[in-house]
Amino acid sequence: DAMVIQNPRYQVTQFGKPVTLSCSQTLNHNVMYWYQQKSSQAPKLLFHYYDKDFNNEADTPDNFQSRRPNTSFCFLDIRSPGLGDAAMYLCATSAGREGFYNEQFFGPGTRLTVL
Amino acid sequence: AQSVSQHNHHVILSEAASLELGCNYSYGGTVNLFWYVQYPGQHLQLLLKYFSGDPLVKGIKGFEAEFIKSKFSFNLRKPSVQWSDTAEYFCAVDPMEYGNKLVFGAGTILRVKS
Repeated sequence: DAMVIQNPRYQVTQFGKPVTLSCSQTLNHNVMYWYQQKSSQAPKLLFHYYDKDFNNEADTPDNFQSRRPNTSFCFLDIRSPGLGDAAMYLCATSAGREGFYNEQFFGPGTRLTVL
Repeated sequence: AQSVSQHNHHVILSEAASLELGCNYSYGGTVNLFWYVQYPGQHLQLLLKYFSGDPLVKGIKGFEAEFIKSKFSFNLRKPSVQWSDTAEYFCAVDPMEYGNKLVFGAGTILRVKS
């Protein structure tokens, strides 16, 4: 089945130690999104890639970066995780067809714990 | 600030009870509207969507939602819930002027007692 895969499902890191979360997709979608979801809160869009074009949300901290080396993979890098960065991180994809609404398909998420 | 509000964070119902989850948004322009569901241990899945046309939309598993433009609302309903409907439900809005993005509500955790 075509799908959105996130690895690892659970990630523990230390305060200030860089961490990378991974997302891959077999849907061949050209848009990939990263959301942050803290406990009991709404998923919040951090940034997205439309093909190779990176689109950062205005209020996303500089501590969060992303890379998309090819269509299938997208990475979320947290350069110096703080305790406030502990959250579920969701990856989503969409087809990105011009002039259409494109449904977003979500991965299972990576739960990040910062010690 | 523009936002999406879900009225209840936790709802507990008995099987066969009727369900209505409220969702209001504050975007003034044309919007696309969605309900997503997240079953325990699973990823977010689309339950139903509204783009235009009939304001009463039907989704999977017997769910429906009604768009009331004058009230900026998109409430989710199901006439008779089942234990398997236990999940977290998220309302989401695509404020089309910002491109293909979703703004989510905080979610409602539904627990159905058998």
